[in-house]
Amino acid sequence: NAGVTQTPKFQVLKTGQSMTLQCAQDMNHNSMYWYRQDPGMGLRLIYYSASEGTTDKGEVPNGYNVSRLNKREFSLRLESAAPSQTSVYFCASRTDWLYSYEQYFGPGTRLTVT
Amino acid sequence: DQQVKQNSPSLSVQEGRISILNCDYTNSMFDYFLWYKKYPAEGPTFLISISSIKDKNEDGRFTVFLNKSAKHLSLHIVPSQPGDSAVYFCAASSRFGNEKLTFGTGTRLTIIP
Repeated sequence: NAGVTQTPKFQVLKTGQSMTLQCAQDMNHNSMYWYRQDPGMGLRLIYYSASEGTTDKGEVPNGYNVSRLNKREFSLRLESAAPSQTSVYFCASRTDWLYSYEQYFGPGTRLTVT
Repeated sequence: DQQVKQNSPSLSVQEGRISILNCDYTNSMFDYFLWYKKYPAEGPTFLISISSIKDKNEDGRFTVFLNKSAKHLSLHIVPSQPGDSAVYFCAASSRFGNEKLTFGTGTRLTIIP
């Protein structure tokens, strides 16, 4: 039981390049999330998916797209990377118990855009 | 508009003493609060939570207190241990908020041996 896994762990991009961050969970959770963490900013929600086939914007969606490929996988795509997207990206999933809001996080992807 | 605020970026506490981390919120619709712990180069891990119908929740060395009238919550760690050194984030959610969590900016706790 690996929980939430993310690939890659590190990535360096040049401005304008594209890439996809991969996330998978093996807990059979319906809800999945993408966050970015910047110094002094906490974690900010980029996109989330309440169930397979649905996605919604979070607080900072500009410059990103997502795909909920199936129940297990939720990917985040940067079409044209910018230095402002240098950050640590975390994927999370949430238990489906009605009265529980705990989210479980992956180890993160550290992205640098030069 | 920071709806969840952790006003202390850092805190140092001697081993064995009590650590108190504070969090304030502005959105009165929040009805569930969580604390996460984060070590460097790892993802946040869930620590403890509290529903707005309670004012205290305890789990071993960790206790969370909620003061709804003041829109304030705190995390107490007793006794503090070196392994508690980490960044602590508080987060809030609302049953009307589509399951989303709003995070504070974090407090770096250092336990001094």
